[in-house]
Amino acid sequence: DQQVKQNSPSLSVQEGRISILNCDYTNSMFDYFLWYKKYPAEGPTFLISISSIKDKNEDGRFTVFLNKSAKHLSLHIVPSQPGDSAVYFCAASEGNNNDMRFGAGTRLTVKP
Amino acid sequence: DSGVTQTPKHLITATGQRVTLRCSPRSGDLSVYWYQQSLDQGLQFLIQYYNGEERAKGNILERFSAQQFPDLHSELNLSSLELGDSALYFCASSVTGRVNSPLHFGNGTRLTVT
Repeated sequence: DQQVKQNSPSLSVQEGRISILNCDYTNSMFDYFLWYKKYPAEGPTFLISISSIKDKNEDGRFTVFLNKSAKHLSLHIVPSQPGDSAVYFCAASEGNNNDMRFGAGTRLTVKP
Repeated sequence: DSGVTQTPKHLITATGQRVTLRCSPRSGDLSVYWYQQSLDQGLQFLIQYYNGEERAKGNILERFSAQQFPDLHSELNLSSLELGDSALYFCASSVTGRVNSPLHFGNGTRLTVT
């Protein structure tokens, strides 16, 4: 069952503009969310996280927004750079349950 | 470089066979996770170990087993392989094994079952 969904398989953005990657979840018990970035031939790398007690977390060019009522989170990258081109995975977990659920990923392409 | 080492990088084998995937966690990390990524799908959690003991189990088939050794490296054993087991298998490690401890992933082992 896909409890974490990334409905856009791909996204293309011009360099310097904003990239918005979306993620929806179905399990209302999820309370911790993370974004990972993956380059080809490499494993995913941690990017940013957010706890359900917050609705926004910012780290440099990356901001994650959480809308608990809509069961939706998004990752904003501003400004987008060609080096941001990668696959982005959204992940969620519930309490101390280590069974972290990942979405299928969104491939971001930032064009120069 | 995440510090997590997975071997081999590629593995090609036939149906019905058994293979072992190996993972060395990042120095200092006590917890090891195994994930499976099939084509165009997300990462499916298989199993987690913490300091040698199984901590959490996901969608791991009975044909699959894993263990974490005293030196903290881990092995994932896949037996009676089927075509559908072809996937990228990732190992990840973390310091505490808690959900708010980010995972550090290896580069994966690509398994092809023919």
